[in-house]
Amino acid sequence: AQSVTQLDSQVPVFEEAPVELRCNYSSSVSVYLFWYVQYPNQGLQLLLKYLSGSTLVKGINGFEAEFNKSQTSFHLRKPSVHISDTAEYFCAVSGGDYKLSFGAGTTVTVRA
Amino acid sequence: DTAVSQTPKYLVTQMGNDKSIKCEQNLGHDTMYWYKQDSKKFLKIMFSYNNKELIINETVPNRFSPKSPDKAHLNLHINSLELGDSAVYFCASSPQLGGNTIYFGEGSWLTVV
Repeated sequence: AQSVTQLDSQVPVFEEAPVELRCNYSSSVSVYLFWYVQYPNQGLQLLLKYLSGSTLVKGINGFEAEFNKSQTSFHLRKPSVHISDTAEYFCAVSGGDYKLSFGAGTTVTVRA
Repeated sequence: DTAVSQTPKYLVTQMGNDKSIKCEQNLGHDTMYWYKQDSKKFLKIMFSYNNKELIINETVPNRFSPKSPDKAHLNLHINSLELGDSAVYFCASSPQLGGNTIYFGEGSWLTVV
């Protein structure tokens, strides 16, 4: 089985500042990694995913993440955030058991 | 066109009632899921169906019964609702089992009073 730990439960950030959301995973098999975003009172939207290939993955809305196998991490970054990036962010991992396991989420609050 | 649609979006009901949440996907995917998001926003898989066959059944009370009439639909029926069932229930689908992007519906907010 695999699991995910999101190291920050809340991240306040000022508009136009950079943000990094940390995610570590554990698994005994090869994994696929995902970041989803949930805006208030809405469903989950895929930001980006790592399945194979380049370890630097670019997603929607200017987000990117880097897969680091040695550190078992998949941190999400954005160089300059907007007010509209205020949301809950979930890191997720899928392995050999066909399940998508989610982290506990990181609440990002962007302030002007 | 909504890829994964679920109804109702909001549902308030009394303890002891039986209710259903319907889900349909128009993506042609083989696999569908139900996830539960609790009050602390933690997401956990409940069920997974592949081509109408139950693949994953997590430790969910048997008051919860999924039904898949065809591979485009996965409904969730809940008997004898309890206060602790209050949550957001997400339907989702993916092209196949494993290693694929999972696409989520908008969620169904269930409140048991």
